[in-house]
Amino acid sequence: AQTVTQSQPEMSVQEAETVTLSCTYDTSESDYYLFWYKQPPSRQMILVIRQEAYKQQNATENRFSVNFQKAAKSFSLKISDSQLGDAAMYFCAYTTYNAGNMLTFGGGTRLMVKP
Amino acid sequence: GAVVSQHPSRVICKSGTSVKIECRSLDFQATTMFWYRQFPKQSLMLMATSNEGSKATYEQGVEKDKFLINHASLTLSTLTVTSAHPEDSSFYICSAPDRGGGNTEAFFGQGTRLTVV
Repeated sequence: AQTVTQSQPEMSVQEAETVTLSCTYDTSESDYYLFWYKQPPSRQMILVIRQEAYKQQNATENRFSVNFQKAAKSFSLKISDSQLGDAAMYFCAYTTYNAGNMLTFGGGTRLMVKP
Repeated sequence: GAVVSQHPSRVICKSGTSVKIECRSLDFQATTMFWYRQFPKQSLMLMATSNEGSKATYEQGVEKDKFLINHASLTLSTLTVTSAHPEDSSFYICSAPDRGGGNTEAFFGQGTRLTVV
């Protein structure tokens, strides 16, 4: 079974600084998708960034980028120039195309941003 | 992006009653929808997969008779918590994949906070 692990229950970053959230996963599949979701206090799930496993290039979305290490099964999220609005729960998630976007989530990391 | 609408956002019900939660895909068709449950300060756990035109698939440990799922159309799935008890109090979230344009992405409803008193 696939598992997703986030080893950092809480992280803190100073406003305008950079922070990296860790995620590791376990799978026997070769073709899959990885995601980072943000869940603010409203609890609406917001897609931050996605990565297709077949792509070697790391995904980037403005201030958000990932470090995808397929061999190590690692998928970390880097947030640059952190803003107060980045404070939220962040979930790493995994799926395969055949799973029809049924997501397996990590335990989550609560990110606090200090002004 | 695609929109998934979930209602109600909050509901309080008495122990022993039933509560229905709706999940609608507003601008795309979804043959499959997923229902997750989230306890306070925890992650999302998949409860069941809702399939249009067929029975739902439940995850291990999820009571089929307590959590009734009906995928009535290509845009609507409902989750009914039957004979609710305080331990059913939780946050329930639905999601639907939109595979249009060759891209695969899951879109989430706003979630429903259920409180059973």
